[in-house]
Amino acid sequence: NAGVTQTPKFQVLKTGQSMTLQCAQDMNHNSMYWYRQDPGMGLRLIYYSASEGTTDKGEVPNGYNVSRLNKREFSLRLESAAPSQTSVYFCASSEKNSNQPQHFGDGTRLSIL
Amino acid sequence: LAKTTQPISMDSYEGQEVNITCSHNNIATNDYITWYQQFPSQGPRFIIQGYKTKVTNEVASLFIPADRKSSTLSLPRVSLSDTAVYYCLVVDDYKLSFGAGTTVTVRA
Repeated sequence: NAGVTQTPKFQVLKTGQSMTLQCAQDMNHNSMYWYRQDPGMGLRLIYYSASEGTTDKGEVPNGYNVSRLNKREFSLRLESAAPSQTSVYFCASSEKNSNQPQHFGDGTRLSIL
Repeated sequence: LAKTTQPISMDSYEGQEVNITCSHNNIATNDYITWYQQFPSQGPRFIIQGYKTKVTNEVASLFIPADRKSSTLSLPRVSLSDTAVYYCLVVDDYKLSFGAGTTVTVRA
């Protein structure tokens, strides 16, 4: 019963490097989300995908790109990593839309030196 | 975007009932109120959701007054394992903002 799977779990990058965070869900959910969580703070929405083939900006999209590869997979890309992007990244999915409960992965801890 | 306001922290003891109130003064007609729980090093976990009046499930109750400008999450008979951060979320059309949440600490 995997739910939402994120890879990798940990990553250290140097400033300027690129990186793609992977997320897959096996619940046949329509909507998927990427959040970042900084120490002592709540989650902030980076991008979301309401359905396969669509993506939209959230609260903090600058410096990120996303791809909804298919219904299962939603990736987050950092083209040129910056220290300010050091954070824990969470992927989530919900069955139909944002009014329904979201199921979260265990997160990717990303450090940028 | 309907912002929420919660207490930063609450302390309790095992066996007590914990009530966390969330203010959402500019909640819109279509907004639902959802609560999540987060343990350290884990993603948030859905607890309960409601639109109006009272909702109860196996882990919590959610009380929403008629004006819907606030809501109260009630955790009955908490245990040490309920120590976590609790987030109140008002959701409308993907405009999601978790806020800082309420850190609940349960002591023996």
